[in-house]
Amino acid sequence: GAVVSQHPSRVICKSGTSVKIECRSLDFQATTMFWYRQFPKQSLMLMATSNEGSKATYEQGVEKDKFLINHASLTLSTLTVTSAHPEDSSFYICSAREARLLSSYNEQFFGPGTRLTVL
Amino acid sequence: SQELEQSPQSLIVQEGKNLTINCTSSKTLYGLYWYKQKYGEGLIFLMMLQKGGEEKSHEKITAKLDEKKQQSSLHITASQPSHAGIYLCGADRETSGSRLTFGEGTQLTVNP
Repeated sequence: GAVVSQHPSRVICKSGTSVKIECRSLDFQATTMFWYRQFPKQSLMLMATSNEGSKATYEQGVEKDKFLINHASLTLSTLTVTSAHPEDSSFYICSAREARLLSSYNEQFFGPGTRLTVL
Repeated sequence: SQELEQSPQSLIVQEGKNLTINCTSSKTLYGLYWYKQKYGEGLIFLMMLQKGGEEKSHEKITAKLDEKKQQSSLHITASQPSHAGIYLCGADRETSGSRLTFGEGTQLTVNP
């Protein structure tokens, strides 16, 4: 089956620093990748939709200047948390939608997630 | 407001028992997805339902979508400890299919 990887799996950083999280589709091409954030005991909240070769679409309330998304290729999207603060500590999960599936079928393959802790 | 409501929020059952998790929307769904998540890990795709009245099964897990396409249920027969985890329903709201909205999740514990 389709595999999506994330790196790093866990990161601890100091307040004010920037952190980059990578999301890769390993055995398929993904025109669209999604970034979610999940707080403890809560559901996934979509942050942004990343389309290869174009600007990401951010959900309401998500600061695009703080959460920089780059989707430079069909297999890689990156999320950079700039000037991280303790309230940004969360579990970040990406998902990828296979390029060849052009119908309304919307199966997304999820990465294993990245645990970010900002001290 | 929460667009997808899952119930129950948590469920503790004895191994071997059957259980049902529900997912309800006030609006028509174009696609309904069920995922399983272990705490601190990614999501595992279980099943996807698109047609009203559709029912799918995989091993001991059966998912149904009602005729109005506003409610789905996930049924586990003869539960095992390996079934434990967080079950999330996700929904498409657009025919173009892109953004998924997730329910709050149901935490399932299966006691041996």
